Amino acid sequence: GAGVSQSPSNKVTEKGKDVELRCDPISGHTALYWYRQSLGQGLEFLIYFQGNSAPDKSGLPSDRFSAERTGGSVSTLTIQRTQQEDSAVYLCASSSGPVGYEQYFGPGTRLTVT
Amino acid sequence: TQLLEQSPQFLSIQEGENLTVYCNSSSVFSSLQWYRQEPGEGPVLLVTVVTGGEVKKLKRLTFQFGDARKDSSLHITAAQPGDTGLYLCAGGTGNQFYFGTGTSLTVIP
Repeated sequence: GAGVSQSPSNKVTEKGKDVELRCDPISGHTALYWYRQSLGQGLEFLIYFQGNSAPDKSGLPSDRFSAERTGGSVSTLTIQRTQQEDSAVYLCASSSGPVGYEQYFGPGTRLTVT
Repeated sequence: TQLLEQSPQFLSIQEGENLTVYCNSSSVFSSLQWYRQEPGEGPVLLVTVVTGGEVKKLKRLTFQFGDARKDSSLHITAAQPGDTGLYLCAGGTGNQFYFGTGTSLTVIP
């Protein structure tokens, strides 16, 4: 079946503009994660959705970052008033169970803020 | 502050050599996973270990979970160019899940 997809694959935006990144998880997966990755580095946790529970937003770096998950499926990560330090690859993952279950990752969105 | 520290951060070796990557923490994890990531792609799960002292083998890769469930190692025997990539450990504790700092491995033909 189809894996996790993300769009766009690349996004270049000017400092101060808002951006929306989209994630389509594997159908039926209840959990969805967003991570940020700087070049060649580990993953920085941003936000975690599990079913209909309130999301774990503890990793969001500032109030310019927000995410929603509509109908328990597609998720959108929004960054308002982008800054150059927001440049990174944003990865989405979905899972069929709670924390600790295998996560299936999308290819990521490379965001460049100029 | 990183909860999971990996070492070394970078590793470049010749084809056929052996190597070990370490993942250390001061926290106890209920499970620990290893992922491999290739350029332009998302990480892919290699293995999950859940029991202290557990050893799992996947062809030329051997994974070990520390007795106290605070650390793990990945050993690759006779490395091949196809092993090149970013290796990430990841641990779960309660409802939190953390990725390590990553080890970038390059195997030179």
